[in-house]
Amino acid sequence: GAGVSQSPSNKVTEKGKDVELRCDPISGHTALYWYRQSLGQGLEFLIYFQGNSAPDKSGLPSDRFSAERTGGSVSTLTIQRTQQEDSAVYLCASSPGLNNEQFFGPGTRLTVL
Amino acid sequence: DQQVKQNSPSLSVQEGRISILNCDYTNSMFDYFLWYKKYPAEGPTFLISISSIKDKNEDGRFTVFLNKSAKHLSLHIVPSQPGDSAVYFCAARLVGGSQGNLIFGKGTKLSVKP
Repeated sequence: GAGVSQSPSNKVTEKGKDVELRCDPISGHTALYWYRQSLGQGLEFLIYFQGNSAPDKSGLPSDRFSAERTGGSVSTLTIQRTQQEDSAVYLCASSPGLNNEQFFGPGTRLTVL
Repeated sequence: DQQVKQNSPSLSVQEGRISILNCDYTNSMFDYFLWYKKYPAEGPTFLISISSIKDKNEDGRFTVFLNKSAKHLSLHIVPSQPGDSAVYFCAARLVGGSQGNLIFGKGTKLSVKP
């Protein structure tokens, strides 16, 4: 079956604009995670969704960041009023449950000019 | 405050020799450790993992060793192949899985030279 997919693969935007990044997890996976990797850094946890539970938003860096997961499947990460420091690769992962191996998508490279 | 540290940003090894990638952690509440491999322009892919109740896990050419007293784990690749050239991330998870996210190190770029 298909792996985790993300779109767009690349996004260039101007400072102050809003962006939406999409993640399609592996079918049947109940857990979905967003991470970001800034240049020279490791993967930084942003948010995760598990089933119908309230998402864990503890990693979101500011209130400009939000995410939703519709119907327990597709997720959208929204960054409002983008700043240059938001430039990074945004990675989505899914897993069958919280305690399982996470499968990553190819990421979206966001560049804020 | 980095809880998972990979102090070597890069490592170069000759094909056929052993590659040893190191990882240190500070939080004694981590109960599960994973290694991911990442090629450019791709997402990380799971390589191997180890539970905190074990000290070694082996899968083909890949072996992970865990030293809980030293809060240290290492990934051994024997023999190394040019296709192993990638960035390797160490990751850890907290006890009980109540926090589902993984905590990653900054990665070590491995170059295996023919």
